Amino acid sequence: EPEVTQTPSHQVTQMGQEVILRCVPISNHLYFYWYRQILGQKVEFLVSFYNNEISEKSEIFDDQFSVERPDGSNFTLKIRSTKLEDSAMYFCASSPSYNSPLHFGNGTRLTVT
Amino acid sequence: KQEVTQIPAALSVPEGENLVLNCSFTDSAIYNLQWFRQDPGKGLTSLLLIQSSQREQTSGRLNASLDKSSGRSTLYIAASQPGDSATYLCAVAPGSGTYKYIFGTGTRLKVLA
Repeated sequence: EPEVTQTPSHQVTQMGQEVILRCVPISNHLYFYWYRQILGQKVEFLVSFYNNEISEKSEIFDDQFSVERPDGSNFTLKIRSTKLEDSAMYFCASSPSYNSPLHFGNGTRLTVT
Repeated sequence: KQEVTQIPAALSVPEGENLVLNCSFTDSAIYNLQWFRQDPGKGLTSLLLIQSSQREQTSGRLNASLDKSSGRSTLYIAASQPGDSATYLCAVAPGSGTYKYIFGTGTRLKVLA
């Protein structure tokens, strides 16, 4: 069964550094998402992406964050200048249409020191 | 503001027992509701998606019901197995046509052999 692939599985970075989290969504899916889960807290929505543009973003998704679909397969989340509070598990998800189940990757654990 | 709550937070049952997990939400104007399973260190797996116009969905030993007017959904697991041990999350898509799912805190289920 096709799956969403995320790399790396674990990223450690120093405060103030830029990180790029990578995702390969399922190939025929059209909607792409980033969510995050701080340890012990709820899964939170960051951003959705459709038709090569952001369709919605949360208050968390400020100017430090950006997303890109640089080619037909990859979907990336960039954090420009990481803060300690950005430490979390970041999940990429995709879906074939708007009103269909989300397919999640296994996540990237980001640790900011 | 939509809030999603799940009770109990943790549940431990002997193998073979039928069980019910609860999810409540504060705003009944939802577009759909999904139940997910999360295994430790892994991503989320969509189990069932219920549209706002539906009352229930079934998949194998799983049955999810939705009562929008009372702001409740239940996930019924029949004949539980040790392999069902995981955290179960419900997530609500608000009715404004947003892509932003709002997650509950989850129920951590342990099925004892």
